[in-house]
Amino acid sequence: GQNIDQPTEMTATEGAIVQINCTYQTSGFNGLFWYQQHAGEAPTFLSYNVLDGLEEKGRFSSFLSRSKGYSYLLLKELQMKDSASYLCAVLDSNYQLIWGAGTKLIIKP
Amino acid sequence: ETGVTQTPRHLVMGMTNKKSLKCEQHLGHNAMYWYKQSAKKPLELMFVYSLEERVENNSVPSRFSPECPNSSHLFLHLHTLQPEDSALYLCASSQGDRHTDTQYFGPGTRLTVL
Repeated sequence: GQNIDQPTEMTATEGAIVQINCTYQTSGFNGLFWYQQHAGEAPTFLSYNVLDGLEEKGRFSSFLSRSKGYSYLLLKELQMKDSASYLCAVLDSNYQLIWGAGTKLIIKP
Repeated sequence: ETGVTQTPRHLVMGMTNKKSLKCEQHLGHNAMYWYKQSAKKPLELMFVYSLEERVENNSVPSRFSPECPNSSHLFLHLHTLQPEDSALYLCASSQGDRHTDTQYFGPGTRLTVL
């Protein structure tokens, strides 16, 4: 079966750095997405990785290793507004999006 | 604001009721999606429409009936639902129906079935 694993919940301190991991086992791979979802709001696109390596976008970076079936989202200089759920999703060989259950990130002052 | 709106934002209905969820996108996209989001579970893709034609239907019970009258509007008609159907229903749109296209989500309708 196809599976996306990410931690259910993480806690971090304002101003710190946090890394949210995502591991996947899918039939093929055509890219990996990260979305952010604040409570009661729409998921919003953060990043799309299809090649190995790190992509940086301001305070957020996303890393992919296709050989390890692994990605992480790195958030720097955490702000209270970063408290949200972070969803990992993988495109399989049939271009079907397989979603993880999301990681709820709690930021404490 | 993502350019995708959904109404109502909250809905409580009995198992014998008939109701409809509405989604509208203002982005000029050609593909629209319905998802179900239950607590601590992955997003479940329900239906995909591309240029008003249903292209995916992922084994969704017939008590959920989608309708796409044009490329900007998508409805989900609900009839004789079960309590386990209580969830957040999200609508999304993308430029094309290739899943490599970024999807833009609406804020969702929180549905409670009594």
